[in-house]
Amino acid sequence: KAGVTQTPRYLIKTRGQQVTLSCSPISGHRSVSWYQQTPGQGLQFLFEYFSETQRNKGNFPGRFSGRQFSNSRSEMNVSTLELGDSALYLCASSLGEQSYNEQFFGPGTRLTVL
Amino acid sequence: AQTVTQSQPEMSVQEAETVTLSCTYDTSENNYYLFWYKQPPSRQMILVIRQEAYKQQNATENRFSVNFQKAAKSFSLKISDSQLGDTAMYFCAFRPSYNTDKLIFGTGTRLQVFP
Repeated sequence: KAGVTQTPRYLIKTRGQQVTLSCSPISGHRSVSWYQQTPGQGLQFLFEYFSETQRNKGNFPGRFSGRQFSNSRSEMNVSTLELGDSALYLCASSLGEQSYNEQFFGPGTRLTVL
Repeated sequence: AQTVTQSQPEMSVQEAETVTLSCTYDTSENNYYLFWYKQPPSRQMILVIRQEAYKQQNATENRFSVNFQKAAKSFSLKISDSQLGDTAMYFCAFRPSYNTDKLIFGTGTRLQVFP
């Protein structure tokens, strides 16, 4: 079974631009979560989607948004990029059911904002 | 608010020896999950071990075991017979409730295993 995939793996943008990152979960998984990883702030939760609905949201400005499609693939978008948005963006998927489901992480997208 | 604290930024251990990584957390909830994740230099995050808060018995997975002290809100990871492949960042994480996958991570401990 294929793991969680994220595209692109590396991205370079300039301040003010916008960016869209994609996450394809493991087949059959309905929950996708996004995290931002930086040296200064560590791993921070961005948002979580389950069956196309946002189930939880972290403490990030409105420039960060996401969505989930009917095939469970998810995208996150960052508008008006700032230097501080440079980070590794990780997504994780799980079955998403109420009982415990293991989350599997993707390799991440490394975003550099110049 | 829930928080997770890892007070050891870096640790080192010799191959075949045992090392313990510390983690404390803060929550007012009674039911939750605790995890240790490993992030090797290749960056793929991998689940090492999990503990359900309602279980008194400490979780074990081969060479990895935890010491879960619910009253003290402490959750340490013991790695026995350390191997070179254990070199990685280790993150302690807390999941607040059953109806979410949201993880709250500690700042991580960088573990170096020396031959």
